[in-house]
Amino acid sequence: GAGVSQSPRYKVAKRGQDVALRCDPISGHVSLFWYQQALGQGPEFLTYFQNEAQLDKSGLPSDRFFAERPEGSVSTLKIQRTQQEDSAVYLCASSPLDSNQPQHFGDGTRLSIL
Amino acid sequence: QKEVEQNSGPLSVPEGAIASLNCTYSDRVSQSFFWYRQYSGKSPELIMSIYSNGDKEDGRFTAQLNKASQYVSLLIRDSQPSDSATYLCAVNRNTGNQFYFGTGTSLTVIP
Repeated sequence: GAGVSQSPRYKVAKRGQDVALRCDPISGHVSLFWYQQALGQGPEFLTYFQNEAQLDKSGLPSDRFFAERPEGSVSTLKIQRTQQEDSAVYLCASSPLDSNQPQHFGDGTRLSIL
Repeated sequence: QKEVEQNSGPLSVPEGAIASLNCTYSDRVSQSFFWYRQYSGKSPELIMSIYSNGDKEDGRFTAQLNKASQYVSLLIRDSQPSDSATYLCAVNRNTGNQFYFGTGTSLTVIP
């Protein structure tokens, strides 16, 4: 499998708990994106990495959201003190070079906050 | 005003017909345009990318871009029931790293 891999596929957490979502992009892809997709909506941009550098985090909804990609490959999106409004599908996408190229999406993590 | 606007549908067409999906965008400096297909519960899958004015054809799919009108469309010829999905339009400005997605148009192809 050479696609974008995300884990877990489903995550249920109680309000107030911290969660960590993992993304393993296509090998060699420089650009990595995180999106949040609410039911019936299109993906909303959260943050962008070029290799290990987080170049844009303007879409992160609050300081409870944190993302990292320390070695320029696998990325983790962490949400602290989860709230019910954080319930959504979190999509990771990667592209070979710059951000203008088509992105390849993982299957997403469906997060439900009780 | 949203960056990318799509008619949410649902759009229903009979099998074998042409399905026409439309998208408008607000930022004139946008340079890269993409159509993704998303089946229920699945991730978006790239169908077409288009970067210059005019038509681009790939099999049964044709993307059309008109930068003057800030309009991009997707035509699906000989529609099949397997084409039933939500179609997402995405736009990249080239001045930043953000892709802006529309809310998607739900298409149903009726056998």
